[in-house]
Amino acid sequence: QKEVEQNSGPLSVPEGAIASLNCTYSDRVSQSFFWYRQYSGKSPELIMSIYSNGDKEDGRFTAQLNKASQYVSLLIRDSQPSDSATYLCAEMGGATNKLIFGTGTLLAVQP
Amino acid sequence: DTGVSQDPRHKITKRGQNVTFRCDPISEHNRLYWYRQTLGQGPEFLTYFQNEAQLEKSRLLSDRFSAERPKGSFSTLEIQRTEQGDSAMYLCASSWEYEQYFGPGTRLTVT
Repeated sequence: QKEVEQNSGPLSVPEGAIASLNCTYSDRVSQSFFWYRQYSGKSPELIMSIYSNGDKEDGRFTAQLNKASQYVSLLIRDSQPSDSATYLCAEMGGATNKLIFGTGTLLAVQP
Repeated sequence: DTGVSQDPRHKITKRGQNVTFRCDPISEHNRLYWYRQTLGQGPEFLTYFQNEAQLEKSRLLSDRFSAERPKGSFSTLEIQRTEQGDSAMYLCASSWEYEQYFGPGTRLTVT
């Protein structure tokens, strides 16, 4: 059974700090990884995709991928109260287009 | 482009009734996906279309569920003889390649 694991949180950080969200996956053939943000009662919103080892930066967000350790992370710099949401990690296997999601990590940014 | 749209946004039905949901993908996207999300969980894959062909179905998709995508444009998801366990958010996503963009979802409540 392919799995994506995330700490459910809540992860509480003060405004302006760096929030670090982590995700591990079990399928060694997974090629593509995604971070979605989901506000309560809303649908998931794609914020980052990463396909190769290393870091990928987009504004205040940095995604990190380590395929050898089967580990994906998302860093949010200068966290804002508006970043408070559930962050979903997802992976896409090599032979399929379906996304497998973790249960999400609830982030709370304290003003 | 207005993004992925879904209709209706909310549906309340009695157990045993049939329901149908519609999804209109982003216009240039040839891939369309259905997911289901329950409280506290990440979205779970249901089915995937590339153009009009249904290429993958989850074993979550019982005989009571059917999906179509005539002419490779909009898609419908029908649930027959609804059960209380079908209560969930039904999410549609579309993509051109790997990055999937979600619609607002249809929240189904079975009473």
